[in-house]
Amino acid sequence: DAKTTQPPSMDCAEGRAANLPCNHSTISGNEYVYWYRQIHSQGPQYIIHGLKNNETNEMASLIITEDRKSSTLILPHATLRDTAVYYCIVRAEFGTGKLIFGQGTTLQVKP
Amino acid sequence: DVKVTQSSRYLVKRTGEKVFLECVQDMDHENMFWYRQDPGLGLRLIYFSYDVKMKEKGDIPEGYSVSREKKERFSLILESASTNQTSMYLCASSLIGLAGAHEQYFGPGTRLTVT
Repeated sequence: DAKTTQPPSMDCAEGRAANLPCNHSTISGNEYVYWYRQIHSQGPQYIIHGLKNNETNEMASLIITEDRKSSTLILPHATLRDTAVYYCIVRAEFGTGKLIFGQGTTLQVKP
Repeated sequence: DVKVTQSSRYLVKRTGEKVFLECVQDMDHENMFWYRQDPGLGLRLIYFSYDVKMKEKGDIPEGYSVSREKKERFSLILESASTNQTSMYLCASSLIGLAGAHEQYFGPGTRLTVT
């Protein structure tokens, strides 16, 4: 599974969009990009995933560059409850299904 | 909603004790996983199972074993607990399939302290 690189921390003002970047320059053609987050003292929570196309759900949007070497998770209107560690993970479609978590980005949403 | 439950939120055990951590999911998922989480090291996979009675080692299986006798239940066993196994333990489950990638659903975690 490809390795990912994320900034260790970011701040965002409440109500503004939070844009969290992720680099995955060694991604293979059959590997998906997943995003999870972990709020303090809770288990990780799935947010969104994608392969090539941009994706949107009720929580967030995922923008994947055309060469698939990087992606951005967008929280359109960040709230204080979005303060968490956000993990970008690349995983093959087939295989064991295990996820390899890196250090993630700590997002601090400020009032 | 998928629900993954873990038997305890907090557990304190003594060195050398045998420890059982239990995980139950209610969505008929084939895959189940055990991770541990430590500051600075992130989440690391201990064991996973893709079917009843099937198990595969993850990245750090030493000192641990697992049991999956029923589809909904996946147990992590510390045969002889040691202080370096003090950690947050997280269970997860997911569907299996070749049609696409499937997200994992995590339980709330068990914070184990070995003294």
